[in-house]
Amino acid sequence: AQSVTQLGSHVSVSEGALVLLRCNYSSSVPPYLFWYVQYPNQGLQLLLKYTTGATLVKGINGFEAEFKKSETSFHLTKPSAHMSDAAEYFCAVSDPGGSNYKLTFGKGTLLTVNP
Amino acid sequence: EAGVVQSPRYKIIEKKQPVAFWCNPISGHNTLYWYRQNLGQGPELLIRYENEEAVDDSQLPKDRFSAERLKGVDSTLKIQPAELGDSAVYLCASSLTSNYGYTFGSGTRLTVV
Repeated sequence: AQSVTQLGSHVSVSEGALVLLRCNYSSSVPPYLFWYVQYPNQGLQLLLKYTTGATLVKGINGFEAEFKKSETSFHLTKPSAHMSDAAEYFCAVSDPGGSNYKLTFGKGTLLTVNP
Repeated sequence: EAGVVQSPRYKIIEKKQPVAFWCNPISGHNTLYWYRQNLGQGPELLIRYENEEAVDDSQLPKDRFSAERLKGVDSTLKIQPAELGDSAVYLCASSLTSNYGYTFGSGTRLTVV
């Protein structure tokens, strides 16, 4: 069974500082990997995804993530935090290929950005 | 393009009462999902539809939960009777069958008192 671990339920950074949100997965085969963002009282919005190919994936709003198979990680980064980045971030995995599109989510990391 | 539309946004009911949630997916999206998000947790899949067929309902508590997707478009998720532990946000999502990028609706926040 797949599982996702997000280290740190709450991360706080200063505006302009580096954002690093950690995600590790457990899977018998390299999965497809996703990061979603959820603003208060809203649904989840896809930030970026890794399926195949280049392991460094760029997403919206200046975020990027790197798939590291040897570390079973898919950490999310942004060089300079903006106040508008304050939200909850979820890492998710799914089985590659086949007809199973089920996403397994981590518990989320709440990002706060201090002025 | 309209996104995934869910209603109502909020619902407060007393325990043992029935409740229903409605979802209208993005036009042309064959795959529809219902997820439940408990407070402080990530979403968990309840049921997945391919057109009108429920192809994965293994996580749906069938004693009190039911869902339908008539004509392979809109979907309804029902709880009867509701329990206190059902308080959560119920999220609907849709995708093209060959596209792994879900689009989520804004969710329905259910409070059972």
